[in-house]
Amino acid sequence: EDKVVQSPLSLVVHEGDTVTLNCSYEVTNFRSLLWYKQEKKAPTFLFMLTSSGIEKKSGRLSSILDKKELFSILNITATQTGDSAIYLCAVTDSGGYQKVTFGTGTKLQVIP
Amino acid sequence: EAQVTQNPRYLITVTGKKLTVTCSQNMNHEYMSWYRQDPGLGLRQIYYSMNVEVTDKGDVPEGYKVSRKEKRNFPLILESPSPNQTSLYFCASSFSTSSYNEQFFGPGTRLTVL
Repeated sequence: EDKVVQSPLSLVVHEGDTVTLNCSYEVTNFRSLLWYKQEKKAPTFLFMLTSSGIEKKSGRLSSILDKKELFSILNITATQTGDSAIYLCAVTDSGGYQKVTFGTGTKLQVIP
Repeated sequence: EAQVTQNPRYLITVTGKKLTVTCSQNMNHEYMSWYRQDPGLGLRQIYYSMNVEVTDKGDVPEGYKVSRKEKRNFPLILESPSPNQTSLYFCASSFSTSSYNEQFFGPGTRLTVL
């Protein structure tokens, strides 16, 4: 059974801080790792990573995958209060992209 | 506007009373999926569908049924709801199943079973 573990469970930082969120996984035949942001409503897609060592970047957010050590990190620099959310990590396996296994998420709170 | 809609958004019901949560997308997506989200357990996949009349179980299918008679609709059916099905439910869709495409999530349905 595929498994995704995220840490920390929750985090409180001040605006302007840099944060690193962790995601480790166990999957029989890894295909991709996904990051989503969930504010008060539905999750929204951030990144998909399939190759080790290649950083994906979008503004102040970036993510990298280590397929040897089976983990990914999501970095957020110069945090803003609008970054407050639950960040979800998920994996898909080579059986297809259809089956998605999510972690429990990291709750980030950014205070002014 | 491209979107995934779910109805109802909130529902309080009693044990054993059959209910259906509807999900509809207007993006002509092939793939649709249902998840439940519970504190401490994250999002767990219930069922997914790769196209019309093609459905498969996710990680937690017990107590649920689905159907995909039309491409745009993917209802979730609880034949005999129980209190352990109290949860926040999300429907999601994406364009294709041949490669990973961003999943678009509906707004969620908060279900309480008494």
